[in-house]
Amino acid sequence: QQQVRQSPQSLTVWEGETAILNCSYEDSTFDYFPWYHQFPGESPALLIAIRPVSNKKEDGRFTIFFNKREKKFSLHIADSQPGDSATYFCAASAGNNNAPRFGAGTKLSVKP
Amino acid sequence: SVLLYQKPNRDICQSGTSLKIQCVADSQVVSMFWYQQFQEQSLMLMATANEGSEATYESGFTKDKFPISRPNLTFSTLTVNNARPGDSSIYFCSSRGTGGRAETLYFGSGTRLTVL
Repeated sequence: QQQVRQSPQSLTVWEGETAILNCSYEDSTFDYFPWYHQFPGESPALLIAIRPVSNKKEDGRFTIFFNKREKKFSLHIADSQPGDSATYFCAASAGNNNAPRFGAGTKLSVKP
Repeated sequence: SVLLYQKPNRDICQSGTSLKIQCVADSQVVSMFWYQQFQEQSLMLMATANEGSEATYESGFTKDKFPISRPNLTFSTLTVNNARPGDSSIYFCSSRGTGGRAETLYFGSGTRLTVL
């Protein structure tokens, strides 16, 4: 089921640094690329998402960079805060009714 | 958005027994999806359930082991048959939102299953 590849598996940054999480995919029919975050003991929740018509999507400190040609997309978390410490999942889906396929996840730790 | 209520929140069962997980949405949704998540690992799509039709299962999941019902647009159940310790994980129901939030996938609170 690993249709979406995600790296690194874990990442530690200092408070204030930019964390960069990477994903890639193979299926050209994918047309929606969300990032979810999950805190311990909680359900995943949508953080930010992008469609291939754009190569960049920003929401506050969170930015998705999308490269359609290389089938890669990344999440940049600027000015990382200890409260950002969580597991982040990239995902991809095709069409309006299909379930997203998730990457393996990146466990982010932000040290104060 | 859509709210998904899942129960039980957690359960412990003996090997060989069956467990049923219920998921109720606060609004009508076309598809419900079931995901399995092992401790701190990825979310694996198990199946897609649409009203009035058999669920569509992903590779590695079967209807004999994980039968799913979807009797109406707000309800679904997942059963874990002949539970084994390897089934110990968290099971999430999910669905896309409604209206302007139709792209977003929402999750229930999850059912943490431990099989002894």
